[in-house]
Amino acid sequence: NAGVTQTPKFQVLKTGQSMTLQCAQDMNHEYMSWYRQDPGMGLRLIHYSVGAGITDQGEVPNGYNVSRSTTEDFPLRLLSAAPSQTSVYFCASRGQGAGDTEAFFGQGTRLTVV
Amino acid sequence: GDSVTQMEGPVTLSEEAFLTINCTYTATGYPSLFWYVQYPGEGLQLLLKATKADDKGSNKGFEATYRKETTSFHLEKGSVQVSDSAVYFCALSPFNAGKSTFGDGTTLTVKP
Repeated sequence: NAGVTQTPKFQVLKTGQSMTLQCAQDMNHEYMSWYRQDPGMGLRLIHYSVGAGITDQGEVPNGYNVSRSTTEDFPLRLLSAAPSQTSVYFCASRGQGAGDTEAFFGQGTRLTVV
Repeated sequence: GDSVTQMEGPVTLSEEAFLTINCTYTATGYPSLFWYVQYPGEGLQLLLKATKADDKGSNKGFEATYRKETTSFHLEKGSVQVSDSAVYFCALSPFNAGKSTFGDGTTLTVKP
């Protein structure tokens, strides 16, 4: 059981470049989220989705786009990378049932923007 | 909105010491509460959870009790080991809501 798979694990971008961070889950979870983790700032929610075709903004959405065309996939797009987007990005998913509320995380993508 | 406040770190303990990491929350309704652990270079993984008031979650010697009256979910372990060194996150998830809310994390270092 693969769980949540993120690719790539590491990425270096130049300022102004665009890229897509991939996230896929095989647990048929309705809820998926993207977080960024910066030193001393915990996890900050970028965007989240409650099902295919439905997305919403978190607390730090600027500079990022998402879409959810399938239950399994939730890619995060950086439109024009900036040094302030240097961070570790985590994708998470969880189910919708009453006893199914724990989140499963990917291994993270470490992004450096130079 | 929902929020989680964790004891600030970092926390440094000697092996076999007692651990407490405080966590309090603000939420509407009756969320589920969680502790996640993050080892260096890895993603977060569930340590324990509690889904209703007075439930006690436990795993690997760690425990936390869902206290609705004090809106708290403090993490405890009676005797820590070097291998417990990690970052610990308290979190809540409302029932049938897409967003989970995390605390800022507490870094624990256990010295031999």
